[in-house]
Amino acid sequence: EAGVVQSPRYKIIEKKQPVAFWCNPISGHNTLYWYLQNLGQGPELLIRYENEEAVDDSQLPKDRFSAERLKGVDSTLKIQPAELGDSAVYLCASSLRVDLTGELFFGEGSRLTVL
Amino acid sequence: AQTVTQSQPEMSVQEAETVTLSCTYDTSESDYYLFWYKQPPSRQMILVIRQEAYKQQNATENRFSVNFQKAAKSFSLKISDSQLGDAAMYFCAYFRDTPLVFGKGTRLSVIA
Repeated sequence: EAGVVQSPRYKIIEKKQPVAFWCNPISGHNTLYWYLQNLGQGPELLIRYENEEAVDDSQLPKDRFSAERLKGVDSTLKIQPAELGDSAVYLCASSLRVDLTGELFFGEGSRLTVL
Repeated sequence: AQTVTQSQPEMSVQEAETVTLSCTYDTSESDYYLFWYKQPPSRQMILVIRQEAYKQQNATENRFSVNFQKAAKSFSLKISDSQLGDAAMYFCAYFRDTPLVFGKGTRLSVIA
């Protein structure tokens, strides 16, 4: 069974440019998460989806970040415009249900470098 | 809000030796889950071990075991017979009703 797939693995952009990250969760997982991981830090939740509904986006900087999960399967996280401080790894994770044991399955992440 | 603290930014261990990684957390809940996740240099985080707070018995998974002290809100990870492949970032995480809350991690180096 395929795991959580993310693309691109690496992205280098100039500041003020847009960037988008894509995530395909494990088949059948209806809960999808986007986490931000700064260098040397633990992941921090940006947004959580239950199917196509964003149920927790309180930590998403909505002035420049947006996310969507239109059909309740794959998801896209967008930053526009990117700032230097956005350089980080963006992790996608999925789970069967949020209210069970809390175990998440992670993708390999997308490393963003903003110059 | 729940917080998870890992006080050891870096640890090292000789191959075949035992190492213990520390984690403390803050919660007012009595039922919750605690996790240790491993993040190798490839960055994909994988679950190492899980502890359910209502279970007094410490969880074990092969060479990995935990020392869960509920009253002290402590959840340490012991790695026995350390192997080169154990080198990674290790994150302690807490779960109750909201998505995982992670600590800042401990970087483990294994010395051959």
